[in-house]
Amino acid sequence: SQQGEEDPQALSIQEGENATMNCSYKTSINNLQWYRQNSGRGLVHLILIRSNEREKHSGRLRVTLDTSKKSSSLLITASRAADTASYFCAPNDYKLSFGAGTTVTVRA
Amino acid sequence: DVKVTQSSRYLVKRTGEKVFLECVQDMDHENMFWYRQDPGLGLRLIYFSYDVKMKEKGDIPEGYSVSREKKERFSLILESASTNQTSMYLCASRGEVIQFSYEQYFGPGTRLTVT
Repeated sequence: SQQGEEDPQALSIQEGENATMNCSYKTSINNLQWYRQNSGRGLVHLILIRSNEREKHSGRLRVTLDTSKKSSSLLITASRAADTASYFCAPNDYKLSFGAGTTVTVRA
Repeated sequence: DVKVTQSSRYLVKRTGEKVFLECVQDMDHENMFWYRQDPGLGLRLIYFSYDVKMKEKGDIPEGYSVSREKKERFSLILESASTNQTSMYLCASRGEVIQFSYEQYFGPGTRLTVT
C-alpha cells in the first residue's frame, strides 16, 4: 500500500483561524482520502477526492489535489476546539496506509 | 450508523501467549481489515478479507494470522505474542464500492501491551 506523507507534523492555531495541512505521495492514484483521529471518535473518514477532481468542499473542509505534483492539501476553515485531532491522508482506496499525520491543536 | 466494535480497548499479555483480537461489524460489509498503528510509523495493513473464509496478506503479516468464519466477524490472532507486537490495533470494514465510495469504518481500537 502507498503511504501518504503529511506536513507539517504539528500545527497549533487559535479558535476561529484556518488550518492547512499538506499530503504528498509517490505513485499515481485513483483517489485520495482524508481521515481524522481523536480520542473521542476514533478514526473517521472526512472526504475523498478523485484523481479527475481538483477541489472538493465538505462543510468547513476544502481539499485540493494536484496530480502533477502528487500532492493534496486539506484546509479547515473557522476552526473549533472539536477540530483538535490528528489528520491523515490515504492515497488510493482499497488498502489504506497512513503516515504519521498532522496533529492539529486548536486553542480556545 | 455503521458500527464496528472490537472486543477489548486495552489488553496486556505475556510474551509467548496466544492472543485473539475480535472485530464485529453490523453493516453486512464484505471487506474487513486489520491495521496496526505505531508512533512514527503510521497505520499499516496487517491482513484483509474480502469475503467469508477469504483472506489476503497486507504489508506486515509476519507473526499474525486471521480468521473469518462469518461475514460480520474478523479475528486477528497473534500465535506467540512478542514485545514488538505491542501496538494499537484497529479493525475496519467497507462495503462494495458504489459510486466511488471507498470509505472505511474503523473500530475504536485495541491497545495491546506485550510484556
